Amino acid sequence: EIQLVESGGRLVQPGGSLRLSCAVSGFSFSNYGMGWVRQAPGKGLEWVANINQDGSDKDYVDSVKGRFAISRDNAKNSLYLQLNSLRAEDTAFYYCARRHQWMGPHFDNWGQGTLVTVSS
Amino acid sequence: DFQMTQSPRSLSASVGDRVIITCRTSQRIGNYLNWYQQKSGKAPKLLIYATSHLPTGVPSRFSGGGSGTDFTLTINGLQPDDFATYYCQQSYTAPTWTFGQGTKVELK
Repeated sequence: EIQLVESGGRLVQPGGSLRLSCAVSGFSFSNYGMGWVRQAPGKGLEWVANINQDGSDKDYVDSVKGRFAISRDNAKNSLYLQLNSLRAEDTAFYYCARRHQWMGPHFDNWGQGTLVTVSS
Repeated sequence: DFQMTQSPRSLSASVGDRVIITCRTSQRIGNYLNWYQQKSGKAPKLLIYATSHLPTGVPSRFSGGGSGTDFTLTINGLQPDDFATYYCQQSYTAPTWTFGQGTKVELK
């Protein structure tokens, strides 16, 4: 069974930092690109970042460029998102997702999400 | 600047109804259009990929179509389990991806 489990979300002050983790199991992690998607409470989905299989290629939505960093450790079957210089508008559930390339890229498996709240 | 417009933003329907949700893009995206279902308090779930392909386990009452800039998600015979929010998503403009605004399907 494929599982993605996020952790690390919590209340943090504006300007603060946080690292989210996503532990995966049930598939060969190093064979797949991965991504992060966020959802502000009561709002829609927003793609945040993608990383390729070996971590050499990373892409971000403009609103987080220079503040967030996606990374992975294939030996630990883990995906990460480092969040720096946090703003109130970064408050959201953060989901990790497996990226599948067959017939066009899409996210075929998702974690349950972890909540990041940015507030003083 | 790339734009995606999903409509309607919400709709009310009854069990057994046929529901159609549309997604329009500001430029042609081939078939790089996916649909996700999200139930309240849950993670999104892949519903359709590459415009019209259903992942294993997705009921056949769901179907996707369209091409170019106009795409549809159709639910034939709405079931109680289908009341949820649906999002389109494009991956044509890689490396950046875009989601539609979402369509909430509610019980009439």
